[in-house]
Amino acid sequence: GAGVSQSPSNKVTEKGKDVELRCDPISGHTALYWYRQRLGQGLEFLIYFQGNSAPDKSGLPSDRFSAERTGESVSTLTIQRTQQEDSAVYLCASSLGHKGNQPQHFGDGTRLSIL
Amino acid sequence: SQKIEQNSEALNIQEGKTATLTCNYTNYSPAYLQWYRQDPGRGPVFLLLIRENEKEKRKERLKVTFDTTLKQSLFHITASQPADSATYLCALDMFGNEKLTFGTGTRLTIIP
Repeated sequence: GAGVSQSPSNKVTEKGKDVELRCDPISGHTALYWYRQRLGQGLEFLIYFQGNSAPDKSGLPSDRFSAERTGESVSTLTIQRTQQEDSAVYLCASSLGHKGNQPQHFGDGTRLSIL
Repeated sequence: SQKIEQNSEALNIQEGKTATLTCNYTNYSPAYLQWYRQDPGRGPVFLLLIRENEKEKRKERLKVTFDTTLKQSLFHITASQPADSATYLCALDMFGNEKLTFGTGTRLTIIP
């Protein structure tokens, strides 16, 4: 497929469990971003990867959140010991570069519900 | 503190009229400003990018202006259609050459 792919599209889990969300970016895109969007809210930046540089983790809300990216391909966002406040849509985007002149291409997100 | 504000959470416009959405920012010096459209249950889709030295950008029925003195961007949809109903997000790079920060969006409804 030509676009950004995220899986699963929906995830329901119990409080305290760990979850792993996956993002397949557009081939050739060196930059990859994770955002969180709570119901009716804007996009909250979490983390971004640019090539082989150290990721910018400045948006991660707590040490329960972590993300990895293998080269310039797949990324996974892991949330440990989930809390109800983690319920949100988690969006992934990729772009040709990380600078403001590059449009971001988004997946349709993973809707995470913590019971 | 740095802030991006988009006018009213919701905007209702009669079909055929021009819809105008506002994006204001404080304490930024962005080099680029982008506009995105987001439909319910979907990720945002890129629409237009405008540079700090450009006053206006057009694409079909869309027009974006960027006034760095007023620290404001206006997004216009002319001859609006019900299919234009969506949430529109502005995004800018805080100090130029950096990652984007997104506004909270304006939910636009075009009434037939």
